[in-house]
Amino acid sequence: DGGITQSPKYLFRKEGQNVTLSCEQNLNHDAMYWYRQDPGQGLRLIYYSQIVNDFQKGDIAEGYSVSREKKESFPLTVTSAQKNPTAFYLCASSTYRGQAGNEQFFGPGTRLTVL
Amino acid sequence: GEDVEQSLFLSVREGDSSVINCTYTDSSSTYLYWYKQEPGAGLQLLTYIFSNMDMKQDQRLTVLLNKKDKHLSLRIADTQTGDSAIYFCAEILLSGGYNKLIFGAGTRLAVHP
Repeated sequence: DGGITQSPKYLFRKEGQNVTLSCEQNLNHDAMYWYRQDPGQGLRLIYYSQIVNDFQKGDIAEGYSVSREKKESFPLTVTSAQKNPTAFYLCASSTYRGQAGNEQFFGPGTRLTVL
Repeated sequence: GEDVEQSLFLSVREGDSSVINCTYTDSSSTYLYWYKQEPGAGLQLLTYIFSNMDMKQDQRLTVLLNKKDKHLSLRIADTQTGDSAIYFCAEILLSGGYNKLIFGAGTRLAVHP
């Protein structure tokens, strides 16, 4: 089955630690995205990547980092510089540059809690 | 500016129709989307409408688009308890050579017997 997987589903972090959230897709999509979701708010874009070895900052990139070494994978690191990291993190992918309506396919999400 | 607005809550009785409304700001948006999010899960695309259409129907779902007023609505006929979820409206903006999705805050639909 094609789709997007995220792991872990739940993640707990102590203050001052870096953590990495995994996102893998087997849809052969070029573009991948990371969003953050807070209660009562829409999704906010953290980083996106349109192609392997390239990525761009979204609206709230501070305190986060990404890499895109493989087409299938787009891990997100939440660094200790992120002041309020507790949130639900969603990864998505789509065909390149919004062809076919730019439907984005979402993973099941990772809930990060800072203790 | 980038802004998509939705009301936050909607409560309906099972079997009634639900109408979720959304306003957006960018008249150049080519596609507008409705996504559904069930508790603790990712977003699932329900339907989308191209900007040159006024209406799109897909089984129990009807999307209406008023480009003049920049207003989008999603009607769910014969609402069921399984329709209880958060519904997000989203528009596409071309930003820095990239098609960026702008999401509303989501409307939480509660279906009661």
